[in-house]
Amino acid sequence: SQQGEEDPQALSIQEGENATMNCSYKTSINNLQWYRQNSGRGLVHLILIRSNEREKHSGRLRVTLDTSKKSSSLLITASRAADTASYFCATDAVSGGNTPLVFGKGTRLSVIA
Amino acid sequence: DTGVSQNPRHKITKRGQNVTFRCDPISEHNRLYWYRQTLGQGPEFLTYFQNEAQLEKSRLLSDRFSAERPKGSFSTLEIQRTEQGDSAMYLCASSPGRVPRETQYFGPGTRLLVL
Repeated sequence: SQQGEEDPQALSIQEGENATMNCSYKTSINNLQWYRQNSGRGLVHLILIRSNEREKHSGRLRVTLDTSKKSSSLLITASRAADTASYFCATDAVSGGNTPLVFGKGTRLSVIA
Repeated sequence: DTGVSQNPRHKITKRGQNVTFRCDPISEHNRLYWYRQTLGQGPEFLTYFQNEAQLEKSRLLSDRFSAERPKGSFSTLEIQRTEQGDSAMYLCASSPGRVPRETQYFGPGTRLLVL
Protein backbone atom coordinates (compact mmCIF):
# COMPACT_ATOMS: atom_id res chain seq x y z
CA SER A 1 0.00 0.00 0.00
CA GLN A 2 1.15 3.55 -0.60
CA GLN A 3 1.10 5.92 2.32
CA GLY A 4 2.08 9.14 0.61
CA GLU A 5 -0.20 10.78 -1.87
CA GLU A 6 1.07 13.56 -4.08
CA ASP A 7 -1.02 16.37 -5.43
CA PRO A 8 -1.44 17.30 -8.21
CA GLN A 9 -0.98 14.12 -10.23
CA ALA A 10 0.32 16.18 -13.13
CA LEU A 11 1.58 19.74 -13.47
CA SER A 12 2.59 21.69 -16.56
CA ILE A 13 4.36 25.04 -16.30
CA GLN A 14 6.48 27.40 -18.35
CA GLU A 15 10.23 27.57 -17.89
CA GLY A 16 11.11 30.10 -15.22
CA GLU A 17 7.91 29.60 -13.23
CA ASN A 18 7.80 27.98 -9.81
CA ALA A 19 6.36 24.50 -9.32
CA THR A 20 4.73 23.38 -6.09
CA MET A 21 3.89 19.78 -5.29
CA ASN A 22 2.20 18.52 -2.18
CA CYS A 23 2.35 15.23 -0.32
CA SER A 24 -0.02 13.93 2.32
CA TYR A 25 0.60 10.86 4.44
CA LYS A 26 -1.30 8.84 6.99
CA THR A 27 0.85 7.74 9.92
CA SER A 28 3.44 9.41 12.12
CA ILE A 29 6.87 9.51 10.55
CA ASN A 30 10.53 9.91 11.44
CA ASN A 31 11.41 11.66 8.21
CA LEU A 32 10.09 12.43 4.75
CA GLN A 33 12.11 12.33 1.57
CA TRP A 34 11.56 13.62 -1.95
CA TYR A 35 12.87 11.78 -5.00
CA ARG A 36 12.90 12.59 -8.70
CA GLN A 37 12.54 10.09 -11.52
CA ASN A 38 13.23 10.87 -15.13
CA SER A 39 11.17 8.89 -17.61
CA GLY A 40 11.98 5.19 -17.42
CA ARG A 41 14.95 5.68 -15.11
CA GLY A 42 15.84 5.09 -11.47
CA LEU A 43 15.05 7.50 -8.67
CA VAL A 44 17.36 10.26 -7.51
CA HIS A 45 17.24 11.50 -3.94
CA LEU A 46 16.55 15.23 -3.67
CA ILE A 47 16.09 16.11 -0.02
CA LEU A 48 15.30 14.62 3.39
CA ILE A 49 13.42 16.50 6.10
CA ARG A 50 13.17 15.15 9.63
CA SER A 51 9.98 15.19 11.65
CA ASN A 52 11.34 17.90 13.96
CA GLU A 53 12.16 20.21 11.03
CA ARG A 54 9.66 22.55 9.41
CA GLU A 55 11.54 23.78 6.37
CA LYS A 56 14.64 22.86 4.42
CA HIS A 57 16.38 24.31 1.38
CA SER A 58 18.69 22.82 -1.20
CA GLY A 59 19.57 24.97 -4.19
CA ARG A 60 16.33 25.76 -6.02
CA LEU A 61 14.38 23.32 -3.83
CA ARG A 62 12.40 24.24 -0.76
CA VAL A 63 10.63 21.60 1.30
CA THR A 64 8.20 22.21 4.13
CA LEU A 65 6.78 19.71 6.58
CA ASP A 66 3.67 20.09 8.71
CA THR A 67 3.40 17.06 10.97
CA SER A 68 0.13 18.27 12.49
CA LYS A 69 -1.47 18.12 9.04
CA LYS A 70 0.64 15.17 7.92
CA SER A 71 1.66 17.01 4.79
CA SER A 72 4.73 18.25 2.97
CA SER A 73 5.33 20.48 -0.01
CA LEU A 74 8.15 20.65 -2.52
CA LEU A 75 8.77 23.97 -4.24
CA ILE A 76 11.05 24.18 -7.27
CA THR A 77 11.88 27.79 -8.06
CA ALA A 78 12.83 29.16 -11.49
CA SER A 79 12.05 25.86 -13.17
CA ARG A 80 14.02 24.58 -16.14
CA ALA A 81 13.15 22.15 -18.91
CA ALA A 82 15.56 19.68 -17.25
CA ASP A 83 13.28 19.62 -14.18
CA THR A 84 10.72 17.69 -16.24
CA ALA A 85 10.30 14.44 -14.31
CA SER A 86 8.10 12.63 -11.82
CA TYR A 87 8.50 13.62 -8.20
CA PHE A 88 7.76 11.24 -5.34
CA CYS A 89 7.54 11.72 -1.63
CA ALA A 90 8.61 8.80 0.53
CA THR A 91 7.91 8.29 4.19
CA ASP A 92 8.84 5.86 6.90
CA ALA A 93 6.62 4.91 9.80
CA VAL A 94 7.44 5.59 13.41
CA SER A 95 6.51 1.96 14.14
CA GLY A 96 10.21 1.44 13.94
CA GLY A 97 12.48 -1.41 13.09
CA ASN A 98 13.66 -1.59 9.54
CA THR A 99 10.53 -0.14 8.00
CA PRO A 100 11.18 0.52 4.34
CA LEU A 101 10.30 3.72 2.59
CA VAL A 102 6.72 3.99 1.36
CA PHE A 103 6.31 6.01 -1.82
CA GLY A 104 3.36 7.94 -3.15
CA LYS A 105 2.13 7.78 -6.73
CA GLY A 106 4.05 10.87 -7.73
CA THR A 107 3.51 14.18 -9.47
CA ARG A 108 4.45 14.34 -13.15
CA LEU A 109 5.98 17.74 -13.83
CA SER A 110 6.37 19.08 -17.34
CA VAL A 111 8.40 22.27 -17.80
CA ILE A 112 7.85 23.80 -21.20
CA ALA A 113 10.70 25.79 -22.71
CA ASP B 1 30.72 4.62 -12.21
CA THR B 2 30.35 3.86 -8.50
CA GLY B 3 26.55 3.99 -8.33
CA VAL B 4 24.07 1.14 -8.07
CA SER B 5 24.00 -0.98 -11.21
CA GLN B 6 21.35 -3.41 -12.40
CA ASN B 7 21.41 -6.05 -15.10
CA PRO B 8 19.82 -6.59 -17.46
CA ARG B 9 18.21 -3.22 -18.15
CA HIS B 10 15.43 -4.80 -20.17
CA LYS B 11 14.01 -8.32 -20.23
CA ILE B 12 11.27 -9.76 -22.41
CA THR B 13 10.10 -13.24 -21.56
CA LYS B 14 7.21 -15.56 -22.20
CA ARG B 15 4.69 -16.39 -19.53
CA GLY B 16 5.82 -19.36 -17.48
CA GLN B 17 9.54 -18.75 -17.90
CA ASN B 18 11.90 -17.96 -15.04
CA VAL B 19 13.89 -14.72 -14.95
CA THR B 20 16.72 -13.51 -12.75
CA PHE B 21 17.85 -9.94 -12.18
CA ARG B 22 21.09 -8.78 -10.63
CA CYS B 23 21.84 -5.72 -8.52
CA ASP B 24 25.28 -4.45 -7.57
CA PRO B 25 25.00 -1.89 -4.78
CA ILE B 26 27.42 0.88 -3.92
CA SER B 27 30.40 -1.03 -2.56
CA GLU B 28 30.40 0.08 1.07
CA HIS B 29 26.62 -0.05 1.51
CA ASN B 30 25.30 -2.66 3.93
CA ARG B 31 21.61 -2.37 3.07
CA LEU B 32 20.02 -3.41 -0.18
CA TYR B 33 16.38 -3.01 -1.19
CA TRP B 34 14.22 -4.31 -4.02
CA TYR B 35 11.16 -2.42 -5.25
CA ARG B 36 8.64 -2.95 -8.03
CA GLN B 37 7.13 -0.08 -9.97
CA THR B 38 4.24 -0.28 -12.40
CA LEU B 39 3.21 2.42 -14.83
CA GLY B 40 1.89 5.55 -13.15
CA GLN B 41 2.66 4.30 -9.65
CA GLY B 42 5.40 4.87 -7.14
CA PRO B 43 7.86 2.13 -6.20
CA GLU B 44 6.46 -0.59 -3.95
CA PHE B 45 8.73 -2.32 -1.48
CA LEU B 46 9.48 -6.00 -2.08
CA THR B 47 12.32 -7.01 0.23
CA TYR B 48 15.37 -5.75 2.09
CA PHE B 49 18.78 -7.09 3.13
CA GLN B 50 21.16 -6.06 5.86
CA ASN B 51 24.44 -7.54 4.63
CA GLU B 52 23.51 -11.11 3.63
CA ALA B 53 20.47 -11.37 5.92
CA GLN B 54 17.04 -10.89 4.37
CA LEU B 55 15.27 -8.93 7.10
CA GLU B 56 11.91 -8.06 5.65
CA LYS B 57 9.63 -9.22 2.87
CA SER B 58 6.49 -7.57 1.55
CA ARG B 59 3.23 -9.41 1.03
CA LEU B 60 3.80 -8.55 -2.63
CA LEU B 61 6.63 -11.08 -2.68
CA SER B 62 4.74 -14.26 -3.56
CA ASP B 63 6.24 -17.74 -3.39
CA ARG B 64 7.33 -17.32 -7.00
CA PHE B 65 9.74 -14.57 -6.01
CA SER B 66 13.04 -15.22 -4.28
CA ALA B 67 15.89 -12.88 -3.50
CA GLU B 68 19.39 -13.59 -2.31
CA ARG B 69 22.46 -11.66 -1.29
CA PRO B 70 24.90 -14.51 -0.71
CA LYS B 71 28.02 -12.62 0.34
CA GLY B 72 26.49 -9.38 1.39
CA SER B 73 27.51 -7.72 -1.86
CA PHE B 74 25.44 -8.17 -5.02
CA SER B 75 21.88 -9.45 -4.92
CA THR B 76 19.69 -11.44 -7.27
CA LEU B 77 15.92 -11.42 -7.62
CA GLU B 78 14.40 -14.45 -9.32
CA ILE B 79 10.83 -14.74 -10.53
CA GLN B 80 9.68 -18.26 -11.31
CA ARG B 81 6.80 -19.12 -13.65
CA THR B 82 6.37 -15.51 -14.70
CA GLU B 83 2.88 -14.12 -15.19
CA GLN B 84 1.79 -11.12 -17.26
CA GLY B 85 1.08 -9.27 -14.01
CA ASP B 86 4.78 -9.42 -13.20
CA SER B 87 5.48 -6.93 -15.98
CA ALA B 88 6.97 -3.91 -14.24
CA MET B 89 10.16 -2.02 -13.52
CA TYR B 90 12.21 -3.71 -10.81
CA LEU B 91 14.32 -1.23 -8.89
CA CYS B 92 17.21 -1.91 -6.57
CA ALA B 93 18.50 0.56 -4.01
CA SER B 94 21.23 0.57 -1.40
CA SER B 95 22.09 2.61 1.66
CA PRO B 96 25.09 2.80 3.99
CA GLY B 97 23.34 1.28 6.98
CA ARG B 98 24.64 3.79 9.50
CA VAL B 99 21.22 5.01 10.61
CA PRO B 100 17.72 3.65 10.14
CA ARG B 101 15.46 4.92 7.38
CA GLU B 102 18.18 6.86 5.64
CA THR B 103 18.54 8.05 2.06
CA GLN B 104 18.48 5.28 -0.50
CA TYR B 105 20.46 5.28 -3.74
CA PHE B 106 18.65 3.74 -6.66
CA GLY B 107 19.86 1.87 -9.69
CA PRO B 108 18.45 2.44 -13.18
CA GLY B 109 16.05 -0.50 -12.89
CA THR B 110 15.27 -3.61 -14.92
CA ARG B 111 12.18 -3.35 -17.05
CA LEU B 112 10.41 -6.71 -17.39
CA LEU B 113 7.81 -7.48 -20.00
CA VAL B 114 6.03 -10.82 -19.78
CA LEU B 115 4.25 -11.81 -22.99
